Amino acid sequence: AQSVSQHNHHVILSEAASLELGCNYSYGGTVNLFWYVQYPGQHLQLLLKYFSGDPLVKGIKGFEAEFIKSKFSFNLRKPSVQWSDTAEYFCAVNAYAGKSTFGDGTTLTVKP
Amino acid sequence: DVKVTQSSRYLVKRTGEKVFLECVQDMDHENMFWYRQDPGLGLRLIYFSYDVKMKEKGDIPEGYSVSREKKERFSLILESASTNQTSMYLCASRGPGGNQPQHFGDGTRLSIL
Repeated sequence: AQSVSQHNHHVILSEAASLELGCNYSYGGTVNLFWYVQYPGQHLQLLLKYFSGDPLVKGIKGFEAEFIKSKFSFNLRKPSVQWSDTAEYFCAVNAYAGKSTFGDGTTLTVKP
Repeated sequence: DVKVTQSSRYLVKRTGEKVFLECVQDMDHENMFWYRQDPGLGLRLIYFSYDVKMKEKGDIPEGYSVSREKKERFSLILESASTNQTSMYLCASRGPGGNQPQHFGDGTRLSIL
């Protein structure tokens, strides 16, 4: 069975600080990887995805993620966070065509 | 843009009631999902459907059932609501292929008293 682990449950940063959120998955086959974001009071939306090609993928709002196959990791990064990045972030994996598995989520609080 | 609409944003019901949560998507997606979201537990899959009248159990199906009579509509049913089913329920849809992202509704916050 596939599983996803997010290492940080709650991260607090000041504006302009750099961000890295860890995500590891357990599945030996081909995977499709996603980061979703849920801003306060809003629905979950796609931040970025990886399914093939360049392991460094760029998403919306300056976010990027790197797929490292040997480490089963897909960490999310942003060089300089803003107060508006305060949200909950979820890593997800589709190993089977049917369903996704989500991590427990990381709450990011950015202090102005 | 994909639109996934959940029938209620907030719902309050009593224990023992039969509860229906409705979800409609407008993109002709084959795949639809029901999750519950609880603090610290992320999203847990209850059921999903990959076609009309087809369904599969997710990770936490106990106490729930689903119905998919039309492609655009996926209903979650709490057969006899209990207080431990108080939660945020999210519906999602997805196009064909594992590399497609899911599109989520706004969620239904369900309280069982």
